[in-house]
Amino acid sequence: QVQLQESGPGLVKPSETLSLTCTLSGYSINSGYYWGWIRQPPGKGLEWIGTIHHSGSSYYNPTLKSRVTISVDTSKNQFSLKLRSVTAADTAMYYCVRSTSWYYFDYWGQGTLVTVSS
Amino acid sequence: QSALTQPPSASGSPGQSVTISCTGTSSDVGAYNYVSWYQQHPGKAPKLMIYEVSKRPSGVPDRFSGSKSGNTASLTVSGLQAEDEADYYCSSYAGSNILVFGGGTQLTVL
Repeated sequence: QVQLQESGPGLVKPSETLSLTCTLSGYSINSGYYWGWIRQPPGKGLEWIGTIHHSGSSYYNPTLKSRVTISVDTSKNQFSLKLRSVTAADTAMYYCVRSTSWYYFDYWGQGTLVTVSS
Repeated sequence: QSALTQPPSASGSPGQSVTISCTGTSSDVGAYNYVSWYQQHPGKAPKLMIYEVSKRPSGVPDRFSGSKSGNTASLTVSGLQAEDEADYYCSSYAGSNILVFGGGTQLTVL
C-alpha cells in the first residue's frame, strides 16, 4: 500500500523559503512514476504546483515557476518542495501526490497546513 | 492557462442523478482526453474518482461516470447516496506540461 507523508514547518515568515518533504512508504521512488505537489488555500480550490519524474525531470505551474523547486532524494525515498519568497497568499494546505500517469494523481498525502505570517 | 469553470454548487435527492460540468477551452479540455475528477470530503485529502475522461480507478463505484463533449467535461453521479456529499474538482492537461484545476463544486445530497 503506497503511503505519502508530508513534513515541514507549519509556520513560515514572509519573504522566506517554504520547505516541505514527502516521505514514501510501500513503494520505492526509484521504481518510476511521477511525484508532485498540490496546494489548497483555506476555503478555496486546488492548485497544481509541479511534478517531477523519478529520473529528475521537473515541470512547474507557470505562475509559480520562478519561485519553485521540486527535487527527488532516492536514497531517502523522499521528494521535496521549496517555494521561495513566500507571502500570505502562499498560506495553504500542501499535498504531496503520486501520478501513475503524468495527467492525474492517484495517491495523496494527508496534507500539511503551512501558514505564512510574521 | 486559466482555471476550468465549474458551478459552485449542485444538489440532488438520494437515488437521483446529478451532473457536474467542467468547462475549459480548445487548449485544454477540448484538446486532450486527460480530464480527471476528484472527490474531497471536509478535512480530507482529495480522492481520484475518474481519469482520462471516463475511466474509474479500482474501488470507485460505477455510480460515478465521466464524459466529454467539446470543451466541456461532465461528472455524473447516479443513485445519489448521503456519502456522495462532498466537493468535486475537475482537472485537465493544458499542453506544454501544464495541469489546470476547476474551481470546485460543492455537491449537496438533500
